[in-house]
Amino acid sequence: KAGVTQTPRYLIKTRGQQVTLSCSPISGHRSVSWYQQTPGQGLQFLFEYFSETQRNKGNFPGRFSGRQFSNSRSEMNVSTLELGDSALYLCASSFRESSTDTQYFGPGTRLTVL
Amino acid sequence: GEDVEQSLFLSVREGDSSVINCTYTDSSSTYLYWYKQEPGAGLQLLTYIFSNMDMKQDQRLTVLLNKKDKHLSLRIADTQTGDSAIYFCAEKSYGQNFVFGPGTRLSVLP
Repeated sequence: KAGVTQTPRYLIKTRGQQVTLSCSPISGHRSVSWYQQTPGQGLQFLFEYFSETQRNKGNFPGRFSGRQFSNSRSEMNVSTLELGDSALYLCASSFRESSTDTQYFGPGTRLTVL
Repeated sequence: GEDVEQSLFLSVREGDSSVINCTYTDSSSTYLYWYKQEPGAGLQLLTYIFSNMDMKQDQRLTVLLNKKDKHLSLRIADTQTGDSAIYFCAEKSYGQNFVFGPGTRLSVLP
């Protein structure tokens, strides 16, 4: 079974731009969660989608948004990029909602904002 | 809120056992996890334990849970250079999101 895939793997943007990251979960998984990983803040939860509905949201500004499609693929969008948005963005999938199931992580998208 | 703490660094010699420790604050934690992250990669689930268990063994990995002290440990037997990575402890309760520790960087010396 293929694992969680994320595209692109690396991205360089400039301040003020917007970016869209994509995540394809393990086949059959219906929950997708997004995390931001930085050296200073560690791993922080962004949001979780289950069956196309946002179930939980972390403490991030409204510039961070996401959605999930009917095939469970998910996208995350960050608008008006700031230098502090430079991070590794990890996506994780699970069969059920993450609070009742084990999550499997993708390799991440490394975003650099110049 | 919930908090998970880990020591940041651990060095061991190849062939020795490694013990990575973690403490958590949420007494309602239902699941406790260990993830491994190698350079430039995402998180790999190593093992997990339910809060009603005290110990779980999986090949070279042994997880011990002390619920009274809210202490979780991961023992890696016969540590190899390929075990060098960052190890994250994480906890989760029903209806809550994952809370991760800061990660322990394990260095295996030849």
